[in-house]
Amino acid sequence: QKEVEQDPGPLSVPEGAIVSLNCTYSNSAFQYFMWYRQYSRKGPELLMYTYSSGNKEDGRFTAQVDKSSKYISLFIRDSQPSDSATYLCAMGGRGSSNTGKLIFGQGTTLQVKP
Amino acid sequence: DVKVTQSSRYLVKRTGEKVFLECVQDMDHENMFWYRQDPGLGLRLIYFSYDVKMKEKGDIPEGYSVSREKKERFSLILESASTNQTSMYLCASSFGGTSRREAFFGQGTRLTVV
Repeated sequence: QKEVEQDPGPLSVPEGAIVSLNCTYSNSAFQYFMWYRQYSRKGPELLMYTYSSGNKEDGRFTAQVDKSSKYISLFIRDSQPSDSATYLCAMGGRGSSNTGKLIFGQGTTLQVKP
Repeated sequence: DVKVTQSSRYLVKRTGEKVFLECVQDMDHENMFWYRQDPGLGLRLIYFSYDVKMKEKGDIPEGYSVSREKKERFSLILESASTNQTSMYLCASSFGGTSRREAFFGQGTRLTVV
């Protein structure tokens, strides 16, 4: 079993839809949770960073962490064609030998159709 | 803004060549990482470094070596390039310690070995 599971999709939604992207994990020592967006042929860019449990909102993006269920989510409101990309979850903490190593999900490919 | 710069966007090399991929970061980060990214396999960690001259093997170090002589620079070396090393290579950096764990990525180097 992988430490981090993420459905690769692809996920296709109409413009304006609310998008929900999710990851599950098995290591209860993870404390740092991130979401990255990666456009085709580019490097991943950091979207959201959350420490421990709770919600964080930034514009149209909301990140949620539920440590009791070992489940994290990224919500995108009013999705736009420019949101079409691959979204990677990542996490780290004492479970990753405390060296700053992150464990990544496989990425979910999202397409927002005009 | 954090900047992680990889020396090349695209490289084409011949089988058996020695290949150097360079990465420079300007945020005084302690940690630096090299990943490769392949369709269906996600991001896989090759090597990482948590300090100058310090390195640790990641998940797939075979056929690669690294060098970190200065804090801002981390080099990935393919000793004798092979076609199965054709891939997207991503460099990343992050702070050390436990305060922040998010990693920042370069734009990627797409390497083709022929």
